Amino acid sequence: ETGVTQTPRHLVMGMTNKKSLKCEQHLGHNAMYWYKQSAKKPLELMFVYSLEERVENNSVPSRFSPECPNSSHLFLHLHTLQPEDSALYLCASSLGGSGYASTDTQYFGPGTRLTVL
Amino acid sequence: QQQVKQSPQSLIVQKGGISIINCAYENTAFDYFPWYQQFPGKGPALLIAIRPDVSEKKEGRFTISFNKSAKQFSLHIMDSQPGDSATYFCAATSSSNTGKLIFGQGTTLQVKP
Repeated sequence: ETGVTQTPRHLVMGMTNKKSLKCEQHLGHNAMYWYKQSAKKPLELMFVYSLEERVENNSVPSRFSPECPNSSHLFLHLHTLQPEDSALYLCASSLGGSGYASTDTQYFGPGTRLTVL
Repeated sequence: QQQVKQSPQSLIVQKGGISIINCAYENTAFDYFPWYQQFPGKGPALLIAIRPDVSEKKEGRFTISFNKSAKQFSLHIMDSQPGDSATYFCAATSSSNTGKLIFGQGTTLQVKP
């Protein structure tokens, strides 16, 4: 596998379910991101991790819970979601590290299409 | 002040024509302006980027024009091809801190054969 992979690619869940999205990067990067992509809206940054520490948390509802066990893996745990949370969730990585910078090129995975019923 | 406004929302161009997508920003601290290209079923990928020390950057058929005084920048795709059909996002950020990358709303480009 190369680049950034995400699983599952599609997920349908009820409002009371608990599920997790997984992201893995094979680029040797130190920073990882979760974005939410909704139709006709800008990409919304949700969380940023650099060297496995959270450096950005954009007022995301607590029903979204990120986890970064190491620099190659990032999870987004979902529980008690609302229908308006239906969207494409994108993971990205960048070189990052102690010199984490927003100008580093971000490499995106293909996303998980989430539908909340 | 953190917004980046992108237009048009969608664009249809004939093969061989010029596609132009415009973006405007307000934060004068922004000093890095990338464009990302996203094909259906794929994540966005960096296409080209510019810093405000130059007014234009060209890579193949893709050119960014930058107007610092107007706080605007645009992507020009020359000799547009059906394979260029994708969604294009402009973005902006400041390199002086660990600020986040601010994306525009996206433009869906369709190039007709």
